[in-house]
Amino acid sequence: DTEVTQTPKHLVMGMTNKKSLKCEQHMGHRAMYWYKQKAKKPPELMFVYSYEKLSINESVPSRFSPECPNSSLLNLHLHALQPEDSALYLCASSQLPAGGTDTQYFGPGTRLTVL
Amino acid sequence: AQSVAQPEDQVNVAEGNPLTVKCTYSVSGNPYLFWYVQYPNRGLQFLLKYITGDNLVKGSYGFEAEFNKSQTSFHLKKPSALVSDSALYFCAHKPGNTPLVFGKGTRLSVIA
Repeated sequence: DTEVTQTPKHLVMGMTNKKSLKCEQHMGHRAMYWYKQKAKKPPELMFVYSYEKLSINESVPSRFSPECPNSSLLNLHLHALQPEDSALYLCASSQLPAGGTDTQYFGPGTRLTVL
Repeated sequence: AQSVAQPEDQVNVAEGNPLTVKCTYSVSGNPYLFWYVQYPNRGLQFLLKYITGDNLVKGSYGFEAEFNKSQTSFHLKKPSALVSDSALYFCAHKPGNTPLVFGKGTRLSVIA
């Protein structure tokens, strides 16, 4: 089973709202990722967690706050977002954080609209 | 800089014809190359990867890719296209111990 689940599927929020995106995997993977994808563009890496610790932050604005409560869960907390933050947010996981040949498996994404 | 390039924004092919989606790489050392497919409003699905060994890699849904070191290419192929293959295809590589780096993507349209 190579399933990564994400909730919610769709989210509409105002610029003053606080919301969270959730990602879950039960494959025993020790690396988890957040990507942002604009329409017809490739995914852009935001954060990487390795063994539940933040290992990469691609200079993401502080209005995005990641959290890894345990090895199976990854959250992305959203606060005071801007309309340009509207995008598809993808979660991914892989077995080994530093595995050069490791396959990343993606969830279905959360479609976020900021009004 | 290490990268992958997808020279075509759009590929159109008739149903039943063979399809090719092109990818070239500029990577020092051993290239670790991947293909992913994204259907509308969905996440990315892993198709196949080249790590080492046989240059012809077989993947999901009847897709295969050929690693060509002399031409620095890793083109995705399928002998007979289906309308359901219409999607956005991403070539990617893994530079060492870092996450995937994606090409810009190629939109494949299979016409009935």
